[in-house]
Amino acid sequence: KAGVTQTPRYLIKTRGQQVTLSCSPISGHRSVSWYQQTPGQGLQFLFEYFSETQRNKGNFPGRFSGRQFSNSRSEMNVSTLELGDSALYLCASQRGGNPFEETQYFGPGTRLLVL
Amino acid sequence: GEDVEQSLFLSVREGDSSVINCTYTDSSSTYLYWYKQEPGAGLQLLTYIFSNMDMKQDQRLTVLLNKKDKHLSLRIADTQTGDSAIYFCAENNAGNMLTFGGGTRLMVKP
Repeated sequence: KAGVTQTPRYLIKTRGQQVTLSCSPISGHRSVSWYQQTPGQGLQFLFEYFSETQRNKGNFPGRFSGRQFSNSRSEMNVSTLELGDSALYLCASQRGGNPFEETQYFGPGTRLLVL
Repeated sequence: GEDVEQSLFLSVREGDSSVINCTYTDSSSTYLYWYKQEPGAGLQLLTYIFSNMDMKQDQRLTVLLNKKDKHLSLRIADTQTGDSAIYFCAENNAGNMLTFGGGTRLMVKP
């Protein structure tokens, strides 16, 4: 069974640009969560999508947005990039039926560098 | 707010046992997790424990949970050089939102 896949794996952008990252969950999983990992702030929850709807949201500015498609694939978008957005962006998938009784499986991440 | 705390660094000799500790604050968490991250990689789920359990063993891994003290530990028996990585504990709150500790870097010396 294929794991969580994320594309692209590496990305370099400049300040002010926007970026779109993609995540394909494990087959049969309907929940996708996104996390940002930085040396200073550690791992922080961005948002979670289930059945094309945002179900949970972390404490990030509106420049960070996401969506989920009917096949459960998810994208996240960051507009007007800032240097501090440089991070490893991790996607996690979960079956989604009962969020309190399931585990999350992570993809390899997309490393974003903002210059 | 919720804070999950871990010590930053642990060094052990190959063949010894490693114990990585974690304290959490949200008593409503139903699951607690241990993830492993190797350099340049994502997070690998190692094991998890349901909050009504005290202990869970999975091959070389033993998880102990003390709910009264909100303390979680991961013991790795017969630690190998391949176990060198950063280990994160995490709790789930508000459903699918995981709150992670800062990670413990485990270094295994041959």
